[in-house]
Amino acid sequence: DSGVTQTPKHLITATGQRVTLRCSPRSGDLSVYWYQQSLDQGLQFLIQYYNGEERAKGNILERFSAQQFPDLHSELNLSSLELGDSALYFCASRKTGEETQYFGPGTRLLVL
Amino acid sequence: GNSVTQMEGPVTLSEEAFLTINCTYTATGYPSLFWYVQYPGEGLQLLLKATKADDKGSNKGFEATYRKETTSFHLEKGSVQVSDSAVYFCALNSGNTPLVFGKGTRLSVIA
Repeated sequence: DSGVTQTPKHLITATGQRVTLRCSPRSGDLSVYWYQQSLDQGLQFLIQYYNGEERAKGNILERFSAQQFPDLHSELNLSSLELGDSALYFCASRKTGEETQYFGPGTRLLVL
Repeated sequence: GNSVTQMEGPVTLSEEAFLTINCTYTATGYPSLFWYVQYPGEGLQLLLKATKADDKGSNKGFEATYRKETTSFHLEKGSVQVSDSAVYFCALNSGNTPLVFGKGTRLSVIA
């Protein structure tokens, strides 16, 4: 158990819909990262937050957005969903001053 | 930019066989190197890491040495078990930057 939690574990929805994925980092970790794992693209970085502020953006679509709240949990919002958004979405957290990122169990999204 | 290239599988081995999964990287500066493992139906778990040249990371019988001269971080295990069947990812970062992953190598160990 990494100490990072993600909900829900599974999500099935339809094209055009909007969903919210939630992540709670390890206690004391200020940095949160979101990654997408798909069969064709592999593991790709989406976005990073540090203590409530956006720090870096990767290959994140404009239909996707995220935020980190004062209690440090983070949410990833996916809207106008397409079939190709079906993937496993991971969040990871990191303690300031350390390199290692610890991953949550992921949310498996299926868009039908 | 930074990139990681790892051998693509799948790799199928008999129990107690020797395992090597090759990983090479391209990076500016001095990255930290990681191996993560993903067991079926689960998330990513850190397997081992090395943060500077010539460091050896080890865990659960797996080892990898950070070779700056060959920009490599090959994963090895002397005797694999069925329970080692999983997908293995080589990755790197520099400080607080996001991880850059290789495409993953699926390992199947048969009894």
